[in-house]
Amino acid sequence: DTGVSQDPRHKITKRGQNVTFRCDPISEHNRLYWYRQTLGQGPEFLTYFQNEAQLEKSRLLSDRFSAERPKGSFSTLEIQRTEQGDSAMYLCASMGHTNYGYTFGSGTRLTVV
Amino acid sequence: AQSVTQPDIHITVSEGASLELRCNYSYGATPYLFWYVQSPGQGLQLLLKYFSGDTLVQGIKGFEAEFKRSQSSFNLRKPSVHWSDAAEYFCAVVFMEYGNKLVFGAGTILRVKS
Repeated sequence: DTGVSQDPRHKITKRGQNVTFRCDPISEHNRLYWYRQTLGQGPEFLTYFQNEAQLEKSRLLSDRFSAERPKGSFSTLEIQRTEQGDSAMYLCASMGHTNYGYTFGSGTRLTVV
Repeated sequence: AQSVTQPDIHITVSEGASLELRCNYSYGATPYLFWYVQSPGQGLQLLLKYFSGDTLVQGIKGFEAEFKRSQSSFNLRKPSVHWSDAAEYFCAVVFMEYGNKLVFGAGTILRVKS
């Protein structure tokens, strides 16, 4: 069990560019969550997968954001046409079947310049 | 609406002093309750959680929390703070009627004076 891995750790991009982040959950965890955290705030829920099915999306997830979890393993979060307001830490968490044992990754810090 | 409130943005305590971080929630039933700690630039580490049963919960690193239904509170405590406890602390809640996602408070930054 190597925990939840996120890649990259840091990303600097120019406004208008597309970016993609990857999350590798704990292998036996079937549930995967994406959160966004801005400075001085707690993490805010973006979206949730159970296996490969995306079961819930927040209103925060505009049409520029898309998430996938092919084959129910790793997940990607893509942001198209980035804006300065997208600058944040993007956190991934996974959870198994029981006990609400959410495990968080170290996050990807996005800076849009 | 369901919400989680951490009233204190910053708290400063002296090393060795006791600590209490406050958390209140707004919900008609008892939610699942969590405390997480985050060091700068890092992810979130679970300190403890409460689902039901004994209202005093023990966690890692010497932390404990007490659930008080009458006050809709889940305050985090530590009897003696160490300099390494300096970090940001988040209370989080699962409101069962609204799925199994965590809803976080805004966090409390803990500073420890030596």
